[in-house]
Amino acid sequence: NAGVMQNPRHLVRRRGQEARLRCSPMKGHSHVYWYRQLPEEGLKFMVYLQKENIIDESGMPKERFSAEFPKEGPSILRIQQVVRGDSAAYFCASSPPTGIEGYTFGSGTRLTVV
Amino acid sequence: GENVEQHPSTLSVQEGDSAVIKCTYSDSASNYFPWYKQELGKRPQLIIDIRSNVGEKKDQRIAVTLNKTAKHFSLHITETQPEDSAVYFCAADHYGNKLVFGAGTILRVKS
Repeated sequence: NAGVMQNPRHLVRRRGQEARLRCSPMKGHSHVYWYRQLPEEGLKFMVYLQKENIIDESGMPKERFSAEFPKEGPSILRIQQVVRGDSAAYFCASSPPTGIEGYTFGSGTRLTVV
Repeated sequence: GENVEQHPSTLSVQEGDSAVIKCTYSDSASNYFPWYKQELGKRPQLIIDIRSNVGEKKDQRIAVTLNKTAKHFSLHITETQPEDSAVYFCAADHYGNKLVFGAGTILRVKS
């Protein structure tokens, strides 16, 4: 069981570029969650998705950020026109369809905007 | 929505002493309360969890207690070791859909 896979591990983008972060849930998990962690801060919820559905996006900034979890392939967190304030670690977690127990995190993508 | 507060923000203990981290939550409908440990540059990892129908749970040197009436829960680490040094996060579920995290506690175990 490969666990929750995130890539890339590190991503450097210039201001104004787009960042695409990928997350493949654990085998058997159908729920995906994205969190942002600023340096020396906590885990802030961004969005919760199931296949082809956004269930809760209450933590997503209104502009430039979007997420999807297509029928085939990984979940994608997209940040358009990145700014320095977007620099952070972005963690993805997944859980099984049976419930929230077993919530497992990936290794994260560290985004640096230069 | 759910709000989770965590105290203290930093905690220094001598090796062998106990460490206690406390959290309060706002939503009385929350039923699941996990604790995660995050080492520098790594992913948060689940160390122990508790459901609302249980008051206490132990796993070797780690225990969690829950007071559902008062809406608070605590992590207890006994006989601390240097490898326990990390950031610890508490969390509470929001309608069984997602986890809302506390701000974290930096635990330093001095040898």
